[in-house]
Amino acid sequence: DGGITQSPKYLFRKEGQNVTLSCEQNLNHDAMYWYRQDPGQGLRLIYYSQIVNDFQKGDIAEGYSVSREKKESFPLTVTSAQKNPTAFYLCASSVGARLPEAFFGQGTRLTVV
Amino acid sequence: AQTVTQSQPEMSVQEAETVTLSCTYDTSENNYYLFWYKQPPSRQMILVIRQEAYKQQNATENRFSVNFQKAAKSFSLKISDSQLGDTAMYFCAFISNYGGSQGNLIFGKGTKLSVKP
Repeated sequence: DGGITQSPKYLFRKEGQNVTLSCEQNLNHDAMYWYRQDPGQGLRLIYYSQIVNDFQKGDIAEGYSVSREKKESFPLTVTSAQKNPTAFYLCASSVGARLPEAFFGQGTRLTVV
Repeated sequence: AQTVTQSQPEMSVQEAETVTLSCTYDTSENNYYLFWYKQPPSRQMILVIRQEAYKQQNATENRFSVNFQKAAKSFSLKISDSQLGDTAMYFCAFISNYGGSQGNLIFGKGTKLSVKP
């Protein structure tokens, strides 16, 4: 089945550690996105990528990093510089300009302990 | 900068009745798309309906329809014959498509809809 897979579903991080959230898609989509969701804040864009080996900062990129070495994969690293990383993280992908609607993974809940 | 505003943080509706969720947006571009997404308690984001800005006809998907007013930059979602399974957060979203080059997807803060039996 085609879709977007995020892993893990739940992740616990100690303060000062970097962690990487995985996002894989087999939909052959060009564009991929990372969003952060906090209560009452809606979805805020962290990073997005329109094509392999290229990505752009979103509204809240500080303390995060990404890579796009393969079309299928867009991992997000939450670094120790992110002061308040506890949140729900959503990855999405879309075909691109022709069909811009995004399809989402099931999310990763990150908690700092 | 583009923005999306949902002015109703919470709404409720009786089962089988109709409810309308509001969304306004701000953009200087002429080519764009608008979406409504549903996020049930499972937190899986589900696309409900989409509207291309160049189309005057309002989009419809079964019990879901939109009222797209381009000049007013308004994009409301109407849910007819509400069902208990419609209980969810609903997000309005915007993406530009200037000259065929896609911008990034921008979301409103959401409206929490509760359908009561």
